[in-house]
Amino acid sequence: DAGVTQSPTHLIKTRGQQVTLRCSPISGHKSVSWYQQVLGQGPQFIFQYYEKEERGRGNFPDRFSARQFPNYSSELNVNALLLGDSALYLCASSLDFAGAAYNEQFFGPGTRLTVL
Amino acid sequence: GNSVTQMEGPVTLSEEAFLTINCTYTATGYPSLFWYVQYPGEGLQLLLKATKADDKGSNKGFEATYRKETTSFHLEKGSVQVSDSAVYFCALTRPESSARQLTFGSGTQLTVLP
Repeated sequence: DAGVTQSPTHLIKTRGQQVTLRCSPISGHKSVSWYQQVLGQGPQFIFQYYEKEERGRGNFPDRFSARQFPNYSSELNVNALLLGDSALYLCASSLDFAGAAYNEQFFGPGTRLTVL
Repeated sequence: GNSVTQMEGPVTLSEEAFLTINCTYTATGYPSLFWYVQYPGEGLQLLLKATKADDKGSNKGFEATYRKETTSFHLEKGSVQVSDSAVYFCALTRPESSARQLTFGSGTQLTVLP
């Protein structure tokens, strides 16, 4: 079975531009989360979507937005790029059933964004 | 708020040495605790987990015990291999939160020399 897939693998943009990153979850998974991992740091939570609704948002500016489609795939958009947005952007999917002590999140390989 | 503190790296060991990577956390309620591993150029893989106090998670020779009294979840392995070289992240999630997001530590780079 295919794992979480993300596209593109790498991306180079300049300051002020806009970028869209894409994620396809594992088949049957209804929840998608996005994380930003700056070099040398742990991933930071950006968004979680479940059944096309935003369930949670991390401490990121409004330049960051996301959505989830009926097939549960997701896009992360970042507007007005800054140098500090350079990072590895990770997508994770989970079954996300209620009442579980945890819902294991399966991570994709990430999209490496470089802002020049 | 929730936070995870890991011992700073990098950590360099010889093959077959004993490994400990310290992790402590701050969280309200009863978090679930995880260790993730990230190999070069890849995403994160779940290594092991524990969902309640005194649980021991184990996988591939790695172990960690959920200690609520010391708010710790230290990772151990009795005999490391070159193939264990990677970055290790301690993380928590609070099941009662609606988003169930993971809060990660800053990661510990492990290099195992032959």
